[in-house]
Amino acid sequence: DQQVKQNSPSLSVQEGRISILNCDYTNSMFDYFLWYKKYPAEGPTFLISISSIKDKNEDGRFTVFLNKSAKHLSLHIVPSQPGDSAVYFCAALSSNTGKLIFGQGTTLQVKP
Amino acid sequence: DSGVTQTPKHLITATGQRVTLRCSPRSGDLSVYWYQQSLDQGLQFLIQYYNGEERAKGNILERFSAQQFPDLHSELNLSSLELGDSALYFCASSPRSSSGVYNEQFFGPGTRLTVL
Repeated sequence: DQQVKQNSPSLSVQEGRISILNCDYTNSMFDYFLWYKKYPAEGPTFLISISSIKDKNEDGRFTVFLNKSAKHLSLHIVPSQPGDSAVYFCAALSSNTGKLIFGQGTTLQVKP
Repeated sequence: DSGVTQTPKHLITATGQRVTLRCSPRSGDLSVYWYQQSLDQGLQFLIQYYNGEERAKGNILERFSAQQFPDLHSELNLSSLELGDSALYFCASSPRSSSGVYNEQFFGPGTRLTVL
């Protein structure tokens, strides 16, 4: 039962362009949604989050959009940089259970 | 550097053996979480402790157990190891309060377990 899904295993974009990473979820009880970035041989690093009561949160080049009716969120990176190349995990949190449910990850490659 | 430390970094052992993975959370964080990342798998939540008490359980096998000590460090014990237990094991901590106030989780570098 995959509660959080990232249907695109990989994405390749040109430096300077926009990267859009998508995530779908099934459980309407999730309170928060987070994006983590992971380099090889390192632990995931928190990037940005959004509360379920909001539809947008922006932090520098990173913006997360939440569409609750569609149970869909996306991460926009503008402009994309080669250093953004990593695996991006979408995660959903239900505060009352404390469980963080991760998607399978999307490997982003930003080409110079 | 997230402030979360995990030891050892790598562990190679044989089937049937038992190992202990150790995690030290960020200073002041009361919650510790354990995750497993197998090949081609996303991060699977195993278990959470808050201030020494088990708070939430995920897909943790009965052969696995964990605890959080008074100094807040945590250990994940894996016994009767099987080949399929080979994975990256991550620990994360957060300042999440017992009342459920959300805070993001900070991950350690992971322990790579190889079972031969």
